[in-house]
Amino acid sequence: QSALTQPASVSGSPGQSITISCTGTSSDVGGYNYVSWYQQHPGKAPKLMIYDVSNRPSGVSNRFSGSKSGNTASLTISGLQAEDEADYYCSSYTSSSHVVFGGGTKLTVL
Amino acid sequence: QVQLVESGGGVVQPGGSLRLSCAASGFTFSSYGMHWVRQAPGKGLEWVAFIRYDGSNKYYADSVKGRFTISRDNSKNTLYLQMNSLRAEDTAVYYCAKDKYSYGPPSWYFDLWGRGTLVTVSS
Repeated sequence: QSALTQPASVSGSPGQSITISCTGTSSDVGGYNYVSWYQQHPGKAPKLMIYDVSNRPSGVSNRFSGSKSGNTASLTISGLQAEDEADYYCSSYTSSSHVVFGGGTKLTVL
Repeated sequence: QVQLVESGGGVVQPGGSLRLSCAASGFTFSSYGMHWVRQAPGKGLEWVAFIRYDGSNKYYADSVKGRFTISRDNSKNTLYLQMNSLRAEDTAVYYCAKDKYSYGPPSWYFDLWGRGTLVTVSS
């Protein structure tokens, strides 16, 4: 099972909005609404930010939102803040009955 | 507090074995499925294995099937990963992670992670 495709890096200025894409196939992202997003700061464990495509766990800022169209899922961060600078990973359930991650996207807040 | 703490990592020669442990606290460990996820140095995340809350079902990534065994001891609130026939490509930080939903099949969402333990396979 190949990893989902994410851009290697994205950047934005404080206050702006950015979107990170996550492209898979009909066997994963396109076939199921079981997409999630994780934030990982350097040297730290990942943190669940979005699940079921667009749901936020309690305690996650509403500046984070998720969506999906066809085989591509997206994470949007609005009102960028310095603390949002981190790596972001998408994941999806697959037809092989397990989960696959994206390669990760480094977000830089300029 | 609610936490997962991994241990058991280290340096091992190719072909060798290692057993990782993950101690859980602050939640009802016996009610949740648990996963191992790894991250090679400078690379992305890779799911490794899952065990159901009662140990009755286990799933493995193709890359580790037949070499790794996941298990748990609910009386000790501890998750394990026995790793045999280790290869250089198994070098990674290994995280244990809690499945988001209790009982039932895995949700494939990881809502609590440990800080990880580093496994280095090298001669």
